[in-house]
Amino acid sequence: QKEVEQDPGPLSVPEGAIVSLNCTYSNSAFQYFMWYRQYSRKGPELLMYTYSSGNKEDGRFTAQVDKSSKYISLFIRDSQPSDSATYLCALGYSGAGSYQLTFGKGTKLSVIP
Amino acid sequence: DADVTQTPRNRITKTGKRIMLECSQTKGHDRMYWYRQDPGLGLRLIYYSFDVKDINKGEISDGYSVSRQAQAKFSLSLESAIPNQTALYFCATSDLADGYTFGSGTRLTVV
Repeated sequence: QKEVEQDPGPLSVPEGAIVSLNCTYSNSAFQYFMWYRQYSRKGPELLMYTYSSGNKEDGRFTAQVDKSSKYISLFIRDSQPSDSATYLCALGYSGAGSYQLTFGKGTKLSVIP
Repeated sequence: DADVTQTPRNRITKTGKRIMLECSQTKGHDRMYWYRQDPGLGLRLIYYSFDVKDINKGEISDGYSVSRQAQAKFSLSLESAIPNQTALYFCATSDLADGYTFGSGTRLTVV
């Protein structure tokens, strides 16, 4: 079983829809939970960053972490065409002075006007 | 200027040639990384460095080497390029507070 599993999609939704993107993981040592957004021909950029179980909101974006189920989600409300991108989950832990992320393979999202 | 700058942005090279990809950062982060991204395979770690004197292999280091010339500079070399090294290459820096900051990538084609 891979450490981080992410449905690759592609996912296509109409403008205004609520989008749910998900990752599951197997390593209970993960402490940091992030979502990156990657536009075509660009590098990934950090979108959301959380340390704990529960929800974190930032505008139209909500990151949800359920450590007991080893499951993280990103919700996008009122989706816009500009949200069309690939979304990567990233999980990490620190120990012995090191800090490194494990990335999901990414879900490609298209928001249709 | 971008926080993480990669050069070149695009490169086509022939099989067997040596090529260097360069990365510089203004974030002041000690940790730097090289990834390659392939369709369906996601980001795969090639090498990482936690400071100038510390270099570590990632999951796919065969055929690659790196040099950490300074805190701000981390270069990736392909000693003898082969076609299956055709990919999008990303440099990244990190610290615990900021997460990872990626460059814009180098699209490398080996023919």
